[in-house]
Amino acid sequence: SQTIHQWPATLVQPVGSPLSLECTVEGTSNPNLYWYRQAAGRGLQLLFYSVGIGQISSEVPQNLSASRPQDRQFILSSKKLLLSDSGFYLCAWALGTSREKLFFGSGTQLSVL
Amino acid sequence: TQLLEQSPQFLSIQEGENLTVYCNSSSVFSSLQWYRQEPGEGPVLLVTVVTGGEVKKLKRLTFQFGDARKDSSLHITAAQPGDTGLYLCAGVNTNAGKSTFGDGTTLTVKP
Repeated sequence: SQTIHQWPATLVQPVGSPLSLECTVEGTSNPNLYWYRQAAGRGLQLLFYSVGIGQISSEVPQNLSASRPQDRQFILSSKKLLLSDSGFYLCAWALGTSREKLFFGSGTQLSVL
Repeated sequence: TQLLEQSPQFLSIQEGENLTVYCNSSSVFSSLQWYRQEPGEGPVLLVTVVTGGEVKKLKRLTFQFGDARKDSSLHITAAQPGDTGLYLCAGVNTNAGKSTFGDGTTLTVKP
């Protein structure tokens, strides 16, 4: 069966520090991978998605970047964090002919202070 | 940009009551998904609806896709405290290959 791992679960970082969040998927090959951000109790905003190694699409201009160095690894990064980068970050992979079914990791709560 | 509006934003009811939450858009989707999320966790997929007018049942939950595939509803019968959570709808267009999420309905079921 497929599983998705995302870490760390909680992160507190000072403004201006770098960021690296990692996500890995097991049990499937060539998945679509996604990074979402969620404000407290609200919907999900798509940040990046990837259909293959080295292929990254950015949805919104921002202070973040993403990379996919391996088929089942997706990394979210920043060189210098801003206060506005605080939020709940979710990694997901997609299944289905139209990639409509999303399966999420357990999320990372990022607080930038 | 395709937008999904969910209503109500917050809903607090007593155990045993019935409820319906709505997901509306002016855009047509090839499919629509409902997810449930608990605090500090990722959303979990409940159902996918594809055909206009489609109705799917999952125990006490009934999901309906509008005839025009622009809207959907989730009805819960005899709600239980375990139903508490954030309910999110998401629409997908095949060409885009991406999901657009609504802002969710936060449901609290009091024992």
